[in-house]
Amino acid sequence: DTEVTQTPKHLVMGMTNKKSLKCEQHMGHRAMYWYKQKAKKPPELMFVYSYEKLSINESVPSRFSPECPNSSLLNLHLHALQPEDSALYLCASSQTPGASGLDTQYFGPGTRLTVL
Amino acid sequence: DAKTTQPPSMDCAEGRAANLPCNHSTISGNEYVYWYRQIHSQGPQYIIHGLKNNETNEMASLIITEDRKSSTLILPHATLRDTAVYYCIVRVENQGGKLIFGQGTELSVKP
Repeated sequence: DTEVTQTPKHLVMGMTNKKSLKCEQHMGHRAMYWYKQKAKKPPELMFVYSYEKLSINESVPSRFSPECPNSSLLNLHLHALQPEDSALYLCASSQTPGASGLDTQYFGPGTRLTVL
Repeated sequence: DAKTTQPPSMDCAEGRAANLPCNHSTISGNEYVYWYRQIHSQGPQYIIHGLKNNETNEMASLIITEDRKSSTLILPHATLRDTAVYYCIVRVENQGGKLIFGQGTELSVKP
């Protein structure tokens, strides 16, 4: 089983709203990732959590706030977003963070976010 | 920046083999080559990865040249459901598992 689930599938929010994206995996993976994908562009890494600690932040604006409450769950809290933040937000997980050839990332289906 | 270059698009006839090339001339000795694909509006799907030797699984084969500067993903009998964007990624060492996606190849399988 290599399933990563993401909720909601679609989200529409105003610039003053606060919302959260949720990602879950039950594969015992110890690394979890957030990526952002704009239309017709490749995914771009935002954050990496390794053993529930934030290990990489790709200079993401503070209006995006990640949280990893436990090894199976990853949240992305959104506040005061801009219309240009509209994108597909992808979550991924891998078994062993940073271990060559052993950290294949498995992606969820994504959350399609629209900011009005 | 991505360490790979791929043709932006390719066509393949249904039932034929699809051969997708990838150049990664600056790859280091311990860096793996990964292939993912992304069907429209879905999450990327892992296909295969390799270091030096050729690899095969139920989805595809990966052929890596001896100098490791290029590789080819082979889908042996392409179907319409294989239409997708295919990403070749060199996983950079000591960067916490970071994947840097390039622009990928848009493969269209035609009847």
